[in-house]
Amino acid sequence: GAGVSQTPSNKVTEKGKYVELRCDPISGHTALYWYRQSLGQGPEFLIYFQGTGAADDSGLPNDRFFAVRPEGSVSTLKIQRTERGDSAVYLCASRRKGTGLATDTQYFGPGTRLTVL
Amino acid sequence: AQSVSQHNHHVILSEAASLELGCNYSYGGTVNLFWYVQYPGQHLQLLLKYFSGDPLVKGIKGFEAEFIKSKFSFNLRKPSVQWSDTAEYFCAVNGPSGGYQKVTFGTGTKLQVIP
Repeated sequence: GAGVSQTPSNKVTEKGKYVELRCDPISGHTALYWYRQSLGQGPEFLIYFQGTGAADDSGLPNDRFFAVRPEGSVSTLKIQRTERGDSAVYLCASRRKGTGLATDTQYFGPGTRLTVL
Repeated sequence: AQSVSQHNHHVILSEAASLELGCNYSYGGTVNLFWYVQYPGQHLQLLLKYFSGDPLVKGIKGFEAEFIKSKFSFNLRKPSVQWSDTAEYFCAVNGPSGGYQKVTFGTGTKLQVIP
């Protein structure tokens, strides 16, 4: 389909391990966002890419979290030394443009459910 | 920093009842406001949005929301709910803080419609 896709849909890992979560935005969308949604909460902003560059990473909780978008399309969220508190659904979204007043629609993917044991 | 509060965490209604979900935001400048919906097993999707102009905004599936600037509110309404409206609803805002790219979501309201 033409929507935002995320892989894997579920990821179970052990505390201390490294994980990578992938997001494939809608083709042609220049802006890409990562959010984290913990149980009973709304999505929480993590990082935003405009093209290949991280325009705002102020939502990343600490330096164990890192994200890349090397070719301005697919993005990978990387979490080092995972902790139980990292368990959440990680959502990706994309928008056609990443500038201006953000009036165009943000399209969300299905999310990756990360469980850290 | 901008923030959003949703007053009801869980709402249960019978079919044909009227719905109003409260949303208040904290930012005093020019903001854009959104309601998103997440149906069971589906992605978050946009229900409606307000940027400027008429403060009464109409969205998909018969939903509407009214922006009241003096009250910093953007309540979601529907005159007559259906069982298929059972979902979780999120209010969200973006503003100059973060260059309009950082969207802040409320904690969500779970709506259960009983047939």
